[in-house]
Amino acid sequence: DAGITQSPRYKITETGRQVTLMCHQTWSHSYMFWYRQDLGHGLRLIYYSAAADITDKGEVPDGYVVSRSKTENFPLTLESATRSQTSVYFCASSVGTGKGETQYFGPGTRLLVL
Amino acid sequence: AQKVTQAQTEISVVEKEDVTLDCVYETRDTTYYLFWYKQPPSGELVFLIRRNSFDEQNEISGRYSWNFQKSTSSFNFTITASQVVDSAVYFCAQGGSEKLVFGKGTKLTVNP
Repeated sequence: DAGITQSPRYKITETGRQVTLMCHQTWSHSYMFWYRQDLGHGLRLIYYSAAADITDKGEVPDGYVVSRSKTENFPLTLESATRSQTSVYFCASSVGTGKGETQYFGPGTRLLVL
Repeated sequence: AQKVTQAQTEISVVEKEDVTLDCVYETRDTTYYLFWYKQPPSGELVFLIRRNSFDEQNEISGRYSWNFQKSTSSFNFTITASQVVDSAVYFCAQGGSEKLVFGKGTKLTVNP
């Protein structure tokens, strides 16, 4: 029972480079989410998806792109990484049918942008 | 608008002490959910509990208990006889028709 996985777990990149963080869940949950966690800000929602091919912005979407061609995958792309995007990124999926249902989180990806 | 406030930024206790983590929420929803998550030093976010707004019964699970009071919009979390393994950041969250909103977290340190 793999649950929800993220890759890579750690990533170092340089300013201006494109980076893609992967998220995969085996539960067939409809909703998936991307958060970033920073000191002093807690967890902030970047994007979420209600189903395949349906995505919507969260609180801090600028500089990020998402796609959801398959229910189980929800990649997050930083089109041109900036130092302010250094953070820990969490993917989550929701067992329910709404945005506000229980979410289960992946292990996180630590991203450092130099 | 939704808002979750965890006023205690950090708490430090000695092992075997009881400790209560406070959570106050704001929402316009009449039906909503409240959650607690734990983030140990290893970094993962672990779901602990979900409560429905229409169920104000307190919940107990081993050394953990949760006190939901609609009248004060609070959903407090108590750890009885704390242990070093309870050291973590604990997040309260509120959800429902809108997305989950998380508090900023309370860092609990349990010293031996």
